[in-house]
Amino acid sequence: AQKITQTQPGMFVQEKEAVTLDCTYDTSDQSYGLFWYKQPSSGEMIFLIYQGSYDEQNATEGRYSLNFQKARKSANLVISASQLGDSAMYFCAMREVNTGGFKTIFGAGTRLFVKA
Amino acid sequence: DADVTQTPRNRITKTGKRIMLECSQTKGHDRMYWYRQDPGLGLRLIYYSFDVKDINKGEISDGYSVSRQAQAKFSLSLESAIPNQTALYFCATSETGTEPTDTQYFGPGTRLTVL
Repeated sequence: AQKITQTQPGMFVQEKEAVTLDCTYDTSDQSYGLFWYKQPSSGEMIFLIYQGSYDEQNATEGRYSLNFQKARKSANLVISASQLGDSAMYFCAMREVNTGGFKTIFGAGTRLFVKA
Repeated sequence: DADVTQTPRNRITKTGKRIMLECSQTKGHDRMYWYRQDPGLGLRLIYYSFDVKDINKGEISDGYSVSRQAQAKFSLSLESAIPNQTALYFCATSETGTEPTDTQYFGPGTRLTVL
């Protein structure tokens, strides 16, 4: 079963508008971490934002915020005031703590296109 | 200078050849990882190491081996490369003792093509 689901293979947004990238996850752990990474066309993976399962407040980092709905097991990334440089692939990932060993699982990604 | 570097950045090789991909980091992190990314897919973990004497298999370790030569260096080897190992390979690091945060920082990637 998919542990991380990103249902939007591609998204378009107008420059300066906000956009939400969806991510749902599946875990039976109580303690876990959720991450978003950005991959521009140059290929590198850039860490954007982190949310812990016990964090009561939604994480924010500049124009990025994570809309964490624990009961729904969703961790959507919101990008405010989109810029052309935001065009990239975006990956949601989950780190489970109690599964034994190490496991960070990545979703398949969403490609965001920002239109001028 | 980048905190996590990978060499080479691009490599084209032939089936059956032995290939080594190298990763170095200046972040002072204990934990290092190797992932591969295939088109249209997320990253999948190949191997990880939590310190110099620790090596662990990830999700897709078959056909790969690793060596942790020092805290700052972690190499990935393909003993006999095959075409379905054509992919983008990432090295990553993270800091010990920060679960569940354990944020990973990635190198620039190595694009490997096996003909």
